[in-house]
Amino acid sequence: GAVVSQHPSWVICKSGTSVKIECRSLDFQATTMFWYRQFPKQSLMLMATSNEGSKATYEQGVEKDKFLINHASLTLSTLTVTSAHPEDSSFYICSAREDNYGYTFGSGTRLTVV
Amino acid sequence: QQPVQSPQAVILREGEDAVINCSSSKALYSVHWYRQKHGEAPVFLMILLKGGEQKGHDKISASFNEKKQQSSLYLTASQLSYSGTYFCGLRAPPSSGSARQLTFGSGTQLTVLP
Repeated sequence: GAVVSQHPSWVICKSGTSVKIECRSLDFQATTMFWYRQFPKQSLMLMATSNEGSKATYEQGVEKDKFLINHASLTLSTLTVTSAHPEDSSFYICSAREDNYGYTFGSGTRLTVV
Repeated sequence: QQPVQSPQAVILREGEDAVINCSSSKALYSVHWYRQKHGEAPVFLMILLKGGEQKGHDKISASFNEKKQQSSLYLTASQLSYSGTYFCGLRAPPSSGSARQLTFGSGTQLTVLP
């Protein structure tokens, strides 16, 4: 089946620093990947659609200069949270869709900004 | 607009049945069901592509009523491992601008007790 690998699983960083999260499709090519954020006991909220070789499409209310997305290859998308603040602490999840399967999620990254 | 899921939470005993509903105010192309355990990423359960389609695996099945723009997930003879939060993910028709992304429902927390 389709496998999406996400790293790191968790990260604790100081306020004001930047954090990079990687999302890789291991056994398929993904021209499009999706980044979600999930706060405790809430649903997954789409942040942006990452498009290989072009700019990401951000959802309304998501700051593109704060959440930098790079989709440099057909198997890798990265999300960089710049100048992180405590309110950015959340569970970040990527997903990708392979033709024969539903949308597969990465294992998620729990970000804690202290 | 976020799909509406009901009920928000359900508690049942091992061996009992449950139904989770998901409805949308917009036209649907496909419905995806996921289960998420606490602290983990969502896991794909099944996808329904055609209005009127019904599908199942083990004792979990789902139906998709395209005309009513709703889907239901049926859990039969619940097992302890079924506990988790269930999300429906809805995909808009290909003709829409947001065809490739999933919009998730608010979630239904299912707890199966011994």
